[in-house]
Amino acid sequence: GAGVSQTPSNKVTEKGKYVELRCDPISGHTALYWYRQSLGQGPEFLIYFQGTGAADDSGLPNDRFFAVRPEGSVSTLKIQRTERGDSAVYLCTPRYSSGTEQFFGPGTRLTVL
Amino acid sequence: QKEVEQNSGPLSVPEGAIASLNCTYSDRGSQSFFWYRQYSGKSPELIMFIYSNGDKEDGRFTAQLNKASQYVSLLIRDSQPSDSATYLCAVNRGTNFGNEKLTFGTGTRLTIIP
Repeated sequence: GAGVSQTPSNKVTEKGKYVELRCDPISGHTALYWYRQSLGQGPEFLIYFQGTGAADDSGLPNDRFFAVRPEGSVSTLKIQRTERGDSAVYLCTPRYSSGTEQFFGPGTRLTVL
Repeated sequence: QKEVEQNSGPLSVPEGAIASLNCTYSDRGSQSFFWYRQYSGKSPELIMFIYSNGDKEDGRFTAQLNKASQYVSLLIRDSQPSDSATYLCAVNRGTNFGNEKLTFGTGTRLTIIP
């Protein structure tokens, strides 16, 4: 969706494990957002990057969650000591300089057993 | 009170009729409003956005915004079975060039009955 790939598409892990979720947008974007969508809910904002820096990380639920975007393009969301409540679809959304609307990537479905 | 409220449905509408989806929001500072369609197992797809009071039409879709009453609605004319999906309302407090994090409702599940 909208020129962005997310890997893996599905991730099953055990409680307590560490996971990394990757977002790889095409060039031309200016910002990048992460959301997560739990079952039966709308997407929930996690973090927003402008360039390489996190402009707003107020949505990260706790310090087990961390995200980076070292070169201003690819971003990785990292979750330590996963919990069952982390199970959700994690969505990456680039914002392109030509528009103001947000289009979602295909998402990574994370299941914590 | 939730920041963005939608009736979860399901809303059933006969094929060819008008489907009306409603959304209310609590933050009077909200400046832009979006409707996303989400098919089961897929990511949300943007179908309409509106910034100004009034109506905005795009094909079979019309978004309506009333900032004084803090509601935004989506009308789907000549409903088709392919319109069956969950419709998510989202609002943004920021300006076009600011922090554009969206706050979503829980979505309304729409079923078009052939």
